[in-house]
Amino acid sequence: QSALTQPASVSGSPGQSITISCTGTSSDVGGYNYVSWYQQHPGKAPKLMIYDVTNRPSGVSNRFSGSKSGNTASLTISGLQAADEADYYCSSYSSRTTPWVFGGGTKLTVL
Amino acid sequence: EVQLVESGGGLVQPGRSLRLSCAASGFTFDDYAMHWVRQAPGKGLEWVSGISWNSGRKDYADSVRGRFTISRDNAKNSLYLQMNNLRAEDTALYYCAKGSTTGLYYYMDVWGKGTTVTVSS
Repeated sequence: QSALTQPASVSGSPGQSITISCTGTSSDVGGYNYVSWYQQHPGKAPKLMIYDVTNRPSGVSNRFSGSKSGNTASLTISGLQAADEADYYCSSYSSRTTPWVFGGGTKLTVL
Repeated sequence: EVQLVESGGGLVQPGRSLRLSCAASGFTFDDYAMHWVRQAPGKGLEWVSGISWNSGRKDYADSVRGRFTISRDNAKNSLYLQMNNLRAEDTALYYCAKGSTTGLYYYMDVWGKGTTVTVSS
């Protein structure tokens, strides 16, 4: 049971936009602006896509954006491309005994 | 280019120990916190442990606290994870990840390819 809740799967057609949600509590997502998002292709290491809720690392496409409202953070991918098909994980700092928590992951399928 | 290369994984019996290593290059190692994150087969990511730049602060997931010990050697640009009293549920791919600052409680920005630990009799 992951600390943060994500949908198991989402899908979209090329060119469309999708949003992946990540729901936590006031002890993690809602309490801090320390939400990050990772992309993981099969058999590969995770890649940082968004940090501190809304920031993109250098080299990450501006088609990826992050936001937060209350205890729920979101990752939006616009202009879907086949290469975006991957698993996506959210992560947040937590004030509980385990300081870093992850969501269970969302499998993005580009139709 | 930042590189993290994990090693030390393998097949181990329940109750035994294993020590993982992570060799870092391409950045000033002692300027950053470091972390271990694992992924059980077919499952999601689970943060395991982290250590600040100077080893002054260490933290662990509840699931491994008291059994695992994280350490680093800044002179050797290396991170370690000593895993004792291993359980079947510790079976996973273990990633070494670089923190984004000196402190422990900031995001992880670069990950290695991982080393596999299998706990089975």
